[in-house]
Amino acid sequence: DSGVTQTPKHLITATGQRVTLRCSPRSGDLSVYWYQQSLDQGLQFLIQYYNGEERAKGNILERFSAQQFPDLHSELNLSSLELGDSALYFCASSVSSHGTGELFFGEGSRLTVL
Amino acid sequence: GQQLNQSPQSMFIQEGEDVSMNCTSSSIFNTWLWYKQDPGEGPVLLIALYKAGELTSNGRLTAQFGITRKDSFLNISASIPSDVGIYFCAGQLGVGGGADGLTFGKGTHLIIQP
Repeated sequence: DSGVTQTPKHLITATGQRVTLRCSPRSGDLSVYWYQQSLDQGLQFLIQYYNGEERAKGNILERFSAQQFPDLHSELNLSSLELGDSALYFCASSVSSHGTGELFFGEGSRLTVL
Repeated sequence: GQQLNQSPQSMFIQEGEDVSMNCTSSSIFNTWLWYKQDPGEGPVLLIALYKAGELTSNGRLTAQFGITRKDSFLNISASIPSDVGIYFCAGQLGVGGGADGLTFGKGTHLIIQP
């Protein structure tokens, strides 16, 4: 158990819909990262938040957005969903913003878009 | 963005055999890490390397940070059934100052035949 909690574990929805994925980081960790894992693209970095503020952006689509709340949990919002958005979405956390790369991953949220 | 080439893509070995996998990049990284992902789980950090030429062990696992900073190697000695999974290399540009996410390789699937 990494200490990172993600909900929901599985989500099935239709194209055009919007979903929200939730992440609670490990106790004491201030940084939250979101990754997308698909079969053909592997693990892709989406976005990082540190103590409520956006710190780094990766390959995140404009249809996707995220935020980190004062209690440090984070949400990833995916809108106007397309079939290609079907993937595993992982949240990871670390203590600091300028990390060593040592991330603790949750178990992921599996999104299926039909 | 940076790309990591991880090989082999998959390995079929017998229990007790040694395993070697590697990761190369066209860009220099200041941190190299190796993660393992079990089915239905998020990646878990195995070894982190912070210095070119560094050789680090974690039990039966040994990893090296290439001297050119463009590659890394992971060796597993005397494989056992629980070594089955997907092994990912990851590189990070920043050391103590970078807020960027990790760049992951596409993984090496390790399968152990009875």
